[in-house]
Amino acid sequence: EADIYQTPRYLVIGTGKKITLECSQTMGHDKMYWYQQDPGMELHLIHYSYGVNSTEKGDLSSESTVSRIRTEHFPLTLESARPSHTSQYLCASSESWKGDQPQHFGDGTRLSIL
Amino acid sequence: EDKVVQSPLSLVVHEGDTVTLNCSYEVTNFRSLLWYKQEKKAPTFLFMLTSSGIEKKSGRLSSILDKKELFSILNITATQTGDSAVYLCAVELRTYKYIFGTGTRLKVLA
Repeated sequence: EADIYQTPRYLVIGTGKKITLECSQTMGHDKMYWYQQDPGMELHLIHYSYGVNSTEKGDLSSESTVSRIRTEHFPLTLESARPSHTSQYLCASSESWKGDQPQHFGDGTRLSIL
Repeated sequence: EDKVVQSPLSLVVHEGDTVTLNCSYEVTNFRSLLWYKQEKKAPTFLFMLTSSGIEKKSGRLSSILDKKELFSILNITATQTGDSAVYLCAVELRTYKYIFGTGTRLKVLA
């Protein structure tokens, strides 16, 4: 059973605020990912990490940043939120050394910027 | 550019029908293909396929991969209203990145 947690579940906040979306996993997975998903649309990869101190930008241009100081924690930060950032943000993790292991997802953070 | 294309985009069937969902891909450095079911929240894992021609089954769901023709199908037999969801296909690359399709929205009517 996958254990990956995202907080907050929902956030409504004004333009210009700094926001951090939290993601933690208790499985010791090395790889972690952030996706952005608009309603009825596909998942777009915005950041990923191969392990501690590793961060990479995904395919979708994003004004967010991430850090990976600990294996279990992969927070996403928006320095100055804008209405265009309104979306659902999904965090995922997977393990590479065990072979064929799927990516597991958290329940997501639904973000609304006013 | 790596891409994953799913068809149909949406499908409405009646309980008891059998459905086939399609996923085709064009990627460099293929590692695996995955199917997920997404209802209101996060995608939940269904299947991971790495080898051609080997069917994976779980209850009424089954899936198979064709690495020569670059596609996969997901079959659901004897559909139930609880099968209503968006079904996502994703390809994992050797760089451990995942490319997702837009999904097929399935609605099963009672």
